[in-house]
Amino acid sequence: DAGVIQSPRHEVTEMGQEVTLRCKPISGHDYLFWYRQTMMRGLELLIYFNNNVPIDDSGMPEDRFSAKMPNASFSTLKIQPSEPRDSAVYFCASSSLQGNSPLHFGNGTRLTVT
Amino acid sequence: SQQGEEDPQALSIQEGENATMNCSYKTSINNLQWYRQNSGRGLVHLILIRSNEREKHSGRLRVTLDTSKKSSSLLITASRAADTASYFCATDGTSGSRLTFGEGTQLTVNP
Repeated sequence: DAGVIQSPRHEVTEMGQEVTLRCKPISGHDYLFWYRQTMMRGLELLIYFNNNVPIDDSGMPEDRFSAKMPNASFSTLKIQPSEPRDSAVYFCASSSLQGNSPLHFGNGTRLTVT
Repeated sequence: SQQGEEDPQALSIQEGENATMNCSYKTSINNLQWYRQNSGRGLVHLILIRSNEREKHSGRLRVTLDTSKKSSSLLITASRAADTASYFCATDGTSGSRLTFGEGTQLTVNP
């Protein structure tokens, strides 16, 4: 089991550029979550999917953020255009059953927007 | 808003000592989970305790849950330098809604 795989590990971009973060969940997991971690706000849930369908995107900060899950083995989080306040570590996590089973986290993407 | 709040925010102890971290939450829950995060890495699940359980053990970890006080504690016995990490509690809410995390306790175990 390779675990949850995220890419890239680090991303540095200039304000206004488009950023795409990628995630491969653990095979067989039905739920996929995107979290953002900052010193100021801690871990925030941005959006989660069940069987590739977005269930709750109320944590997405604004329309500049979008997430897709075209199939069970791949998800993207896109920021367009990026802003310095988007700088954070973005985590993807997957689980087999929401709420009653552990989340398995990737090692995150550290995004820096200058 | 964060469902769980950990206390203390930071804890520094010597190797071999016990470390206790506390978590308080606001609404009813189905279960409560504890996670560890090493610097620069993702969170790793440690233990899950259901709302009808009061205590659970896993190796050197002991978790208690008091639903009447809406609080939980994580005890790490005989700590090691490798236990140095941030520890987070997470709750789901009885509606089965999203898992929300507290702000974490930064534990430092000095060799």
